[in-house]
Amino acid sequence: AQSVTQLDSHVSVSEGTPVLLRCNYSSSYSPSLFWYVQHPNKGLQLLLKYTSAATLVKGINGFEAEFKKSETSFHLTKPSAHMSDAAEYFCVVTSQGAGGFKTIFGAGTRLFVKA
Amino acid sequence: EAQVTQNPRYLITVTGKKLTVTCSQNMNHEYMSWYRQDPGLGLRQIYYSMNVEVTDKGDVPEGYKVSRKEKRNFPLILESPSPNQTSLYFCASSWDRVGTDTQYFGPGTRLTVL
Repeated sequence: AQSVTQLDSHVSVSEGTPVLLRCNYSSSYSPSLFWYVQHPNKGLQLLLKYTSAATLVKGINGFEAEFKKSETSFHLTKPSAHMSDAAEYFCVVTSQGAGGFKTIFGAGTRLFVKA
Repeated sequence: EAQVTQNPRYLITVTGKKLTVTCSQNMNHEYMSWYRQDPGLGLRQIYYSMNVEVTDKGDVPEGYKVSRKEKRNFPLILESPSPNQTSLYFCASSWDRVGTDTQYFGPGTRLTVL
C-alpha cells in the first residue's frame, strides 16, 4: 500500500534562513515523487518531481529535494527563504498498487516566513 | 493558453439535488483525475481516467460518478449530494496515461451542501 507522511503540519522560518520540509513515503513499486505548492486561494503548482533519474532534483524558485530510497524520504529544501514562499506544500507519490495507479497526497505542510 | 478549466467555481446546493462539476483540458492529455481537498487531509483522489471510456476508482469514490466520453472532458457527478461532500474539488490532467508525470490542476470548485 502507498502512503505519504509529511512530518510537520506547520514550519516557521525567518526570511533568509534555510527551509526544510520533511516527507516520508511508502510504496510497493518504484514511485514517482512530487512536491506541489499551493498559495492561498490558488490552485496547485508543481515545484519539482523525481521519476527515477537523478536523486537530487532541482525545482523552481530555488527549491530542491533529495530522493533517499534507503530512508524512504523525499525532503524539500531551500537555502534561503523569501516572503513569497509562504504557502502550503504537498508531497505526492504516484505508483502502481493492487488497485491500479494511484496518486497519494500528504496532509500538507504550511510554511510561514517571518520578516 | 494551456489550461484545465472547471465550472462552476463556487456552488451552494441542498442535500439530494443532483449536480455536475465540469472539467475540461486543452492539452490533449491522456490522464485526468478528480480530487477533493479537506483541511488537515491534503488532497484525496476520487476517480481517475487513463483514456476515453476508461475510468477507475481512487481512494474516496463513494457518492461520486464520472464519465470520459471525450478526451478533453471529465465531469464529476454527485447524484445525491450530502453535507459530508462539502469540500474543495480539483480536476487535474497529465500527458501520460497513469499520472506518473506532472499533473496540471484546475482552479478548484468550492462546493457547499446544506
